[in-house]
Amino acid sequence: KAGVTQTPRYLIKTRGQQVTLSCSPISGHRSVSWYQQTPGQGLQFLFEYFSETQRNKGNFPGRFSGRQFSNSRSEMNVSTLELGDSALYLCASSLQGTRADTIYFGEGSWLTVV
Amino acid sequence: AQTVTQSQPEMSVQEAETVTLSCTYDTSESDYYLFWYKQPPSRQMILVIRQEAYKQQNATENRFSVNFQKAAKSFSLKISDSQLGDAAMYFCAYRSAKLSGANSKLTFGKGITLSVRP
Repeated sequence: KAGVTQTPRYLIKTRGQQVTLSCSPISGHRSVSWYQQTPGQGLQFLFEYFSETQRNKGNFPGRFSGRQFSNSRSEMNVSTLELGDSALYLCASSLQGTRADTIYFGEGSWLTVV
Repeated sequence: AQTVTQSQPEMSVQEAETVTLSCTYDTSESDYYLFWYKQPPSRQMILVIRQEAYKQQNATENRFSVNFQKAAKSFSLKISDSQLGDAAMYFCAYRSAKLSGANSKLTFGKGITLSVRP
């Protein structure tokens, strides 16, 4: 069974641009979450989607958005990039996102903003 | 809000020896889950072990075991017979067990870098 797949793995963007990251969850998983990992702030929860609806949201500005498609694939978008958005963005999936579910992570997308 | 604290940024262990990684957390909830995740250089977070707060018995997975002290809000990870492949960052994480969508979020500690000396 394929794991959580994230694309692209590495990308470099210029300040002010926007970026879209993609995540394909494990087959059958309907809950997809996104996390930002930086050396200073550590791992921070961005948002979670379930059945195409945002179910939970972290404390990030509105420049960070996401969506989920009917096949459970998810994208996250960051508009008007800032230098501080440089980070590893991790996607995670689980069956239903409920209390007993195990959460599986992808290898992440490295974003560098210059 | 829940917080997770890992106060040791780095630790080192000799191959085949035992090492304990510390974690404390703060919550007002009585029902929750605690996890240890391993993040090797590939950066993929790998679940090492999980503990359900309502279970008094400490979880064990092969060479990995936890010491869960609910009253003290402490959750340490013991790695026995350390192997070179255990070298990685280890994160302690908390997850609410509320019966709602709010339990989908993991709250992580800052992590600890474990090195294994051959």
